[in-house]
Amino acid sequence: QSVLTQPPSVSAAPGQKVSLSCSGSSSNIGNNPVSWYQQVPGTAPKLLIFENSKRPSGIPDRLSGSKSGTSATLGITGLQTGDEADYYCGTWDSSLNAYVFGTGTKVTVL
Amino acid sequence: EVQLVESGGGLVQPGGSLRLSCAASGFTFSKYWMSWVRQAPGKGLEWVANTKEDGSDKYYVDSVKGRFTISRDNAKNSLHLQMNSLRAEDTAVYYCVAGVGSGDPHWGQGTLVTVSS
Repeated sequence: QSVLTQPPSVSAAPGQKVSLSCSGSSSNIGNNPVSWYQQVPGTAPKLLIFENSKRPSGIPDRLSGSKSGTSATLGITGLQTGDEADYYCGTWDSSLNAYVFGTGTKVTVL
Repeated sequence: EVQLVESGGGLVQPGGSLRLSCAASGFTFSKYWMSWVRQAPGKGLEWVANTKEDGSDKYYVDSVKGRFTISRDNAKNSLHLQMNSLRAEDTAVYYCVAGVGSGDPHWGQGTLVTVSS
């Protein structure tokens, strides 16, 4: 059972905005940087956001990340059918001495 | 081109052992923390273990402590995971990952480990 909690699913129409939450504690999100990953089933995860809000090269600015206290959020605007995937947050947990992933959120474009 | 190629997966009986390997190329392997991340069928991602750039520090998820050992050979740009006392719940695709949590991670395509009698 993961220490990072994400909603199982979110859905929205093309062009709309979705916000994916990731809830943790002071030993993980509260004191360590958060990354976000996108995974299309059957493929390896892809990094979308690192250090809470930074985008790697090639990731469009319609994706954004933020962190407040022990929670983090991934925002996706201008939703596209290609955004349908599973999304995971991740960070180091200083109490567990382990990297932890969130439970994952499946994004569906209606 | 960055490549991480896992090998060594397969079918093993409960209680058995398996050694996974990961061959890295296209980047400076010795400058990255290296990890194994697994994903059980239909489930989410689970970090398994990692090792510091020089192999001096290693960390494991609680469920594999005492059973799995991560190691690396910087001279051969390779990462390994020795898995002993395997259980059904260890069944998963195992990914080799360079720099998990960094701004420049690299993921392999994964190797499937199935623990079943």
